[in-house]
Amino acid sequence: QLQLQESGPGLVKPSETLSLTCTVSGGSISSSSYYWGWIRQPPGKGLEWIGSIYYSGSTYYNPSLKSRVTISVDTSKNQFSLKLSSVTAADTAVYYCARLRQWLVGYWGQGTLVTVSS
Amino acid sequence: AIQLTQSPSSLSASVGDRVTITCRASQGISSALAWYQQKPGKAPKLLIYDASSLESGVPSRFSGSGSGTDFTLTISSLQPEDFATYYCQQFNSYPPSITFGQGTRLEIK
Repeated sequence: QLQLQESGPGLVKPSETLSLTCTVSGGSISSSSYYWGWIRQPPGKGLEWIGSIYYSGSTYYNPSLKSRVTISVDTSKNQFSLKLSSVTAADTAVYYCARLRQWLVGYWGQGTLVTVSS
Repeated sequence: AIQLTQSPSSLSASVGDRVTITCRASQGISSALAWYQQKPGKAPKLLIYDASSLESGVPSRFSGSGSGTDFTLTISSLQPEDFATYYCQQFNSYPPSITFGQGTRLEIK
């Protein structure tokens, strides 16, 4: 059974960099059939796609966040990671990692709340 | 960027009702539209893809239709477990990007 688990700090200071890692178990991140991605949801609000990565390292990002986002993959650890720089309170959200079948989000992690506050 | 607008933003219905939610794209997206269900405190779940294809394991009371700019999600007979928030999602191939609608909250009347 595929499982995705987000990990990282739950509290980040304004202007700093948010860093999260998603550990994939029950399946290989090197599968040619899938992309891996990050999606966030501010409290009480809707879903926002952040970006996606293929096991080869090719990425595509939400244009509105592109200047601040880096997504990377570590196939040896079966993990992929998110870095979001220069965070503000508007970046407070539940962050989900996910497996994408083409552009469809078929599997989601449980989500982790990241609060931006001093 | 393509925008998705869902209507209504919220609605109240009763068990057994037939419910329809609409998603309108700001430009034509062929059939590249999906629907998700999200319950409080949980991750979303894929229901429908390619506008009308039912994801494996999803009850047949859920159906989707549409192409181009106008799409609908229909629940033929509401069950208690269907009260949730529903999101549409589209994919644009150039540049590659994914967009969600703002959500429709389905509440018990």
